[in-house]
Amino acid sequence: GNSVTQMEGPVTLSEEAFLTINCTYTATGYPSLFWYVQYPGEGLQLLLKATKADDKGSNKGFEATYRKETTSFHLEKGSVQVSDSAVYFCALLRRYGGSQGNLIFGKGTKLSVKP
Amino acid sequence: EPEVTQTPSHQVTQMGQEVILRCVPISNHLYFYWYRQILGQKVEFLVSFYNNEISEKSEIFDDQFSVERPDGSNFTLKIRSTKLEDSAMYFCASSSPRGPKGGQPQHFGDGTRLSIL
Repeated sequence: GNSVTQMEGPVTLSEEAFLTINCTYTATGYPSLFWYVQYPGEGLQLLLKATKADDKGSNKGFEATYRKETTSFHLEKGSVQVSDSAVYFCALLRRYGGSQGNLIFGKGTKLSVKP
Repeated sequence: EPEVTQTPSHQVTQMGQEVILRCVPISNHLYFYWYRQILGQKVEFLVSFYNNEISEKSEIFDDQFSVERPDGSNFTLKIRSTKLEDSAMYFCASSSPRGPKGGQPQHFGDGTRLSIL
C-alpha cells in the first residue's frame, strides 16, 4: 500500500544550522510529493511540492528533490531561523482513476530552532 | 491570498450529541476534503467530495459521518452521535482540478479542535 515514513523528532537546532528531515515513501505508480508545515496554533500550510522524478520543490529557502531510485523526498534548508520552528509533514498524493486523490501523511517532525 | 476557513475553531460537545463542523473552501476550487488528526498521531484522510457527491472515503468514515455542500460556499462534516474517540483536530481542504503536471496541492484550513466529553 501507500505510506510515508519520516524521521522521528523532535529535532533541535541552533540558528543558522543546516537542516535535513528525511522522508521516504512507498507507493504504486508515481505520486506527487509534498511538504506541509504547521506553525504553533495554525493549520497545515503547503511548503513545497514535486510532481515527478528529479523535480526539485523549493520555497522560503527549503528544498526537496523527488528521488525515484531511493523513493525519498528529504527536506533541507541551509540555514534555519527561529521562525522555522514548526512541525513538518511529508505527504504523498494517492490518486485513483481520474480522481484528484487524497493525501497520505507522515507522522510529522517537530523542529525547534534555538537562538 | 485566498484561504480555506473553518468554524468554529474549538467545539466542545457531550458524548452522543451531534456536531457539525463548517468549512468555506477556496472559491474556485472544485474538490473538497476532510482530514483529522488525533492528538500525537498522523493526519488521516476521511473523505473527498466532488460534484456534490463523495469521491472516496476511508474506513474511518463510517455511518456516523456525513458531508454536505448545502450551498455554493459551505462544506460541512456532520458527526451524528459523537464518541470519545472522535476527539481530534479536523481539517478541511480544497483543491483545484488536476492540471497537466499532476496532482494539485490541497489547501488546508486552520482546523476545528473537537473535544468530546
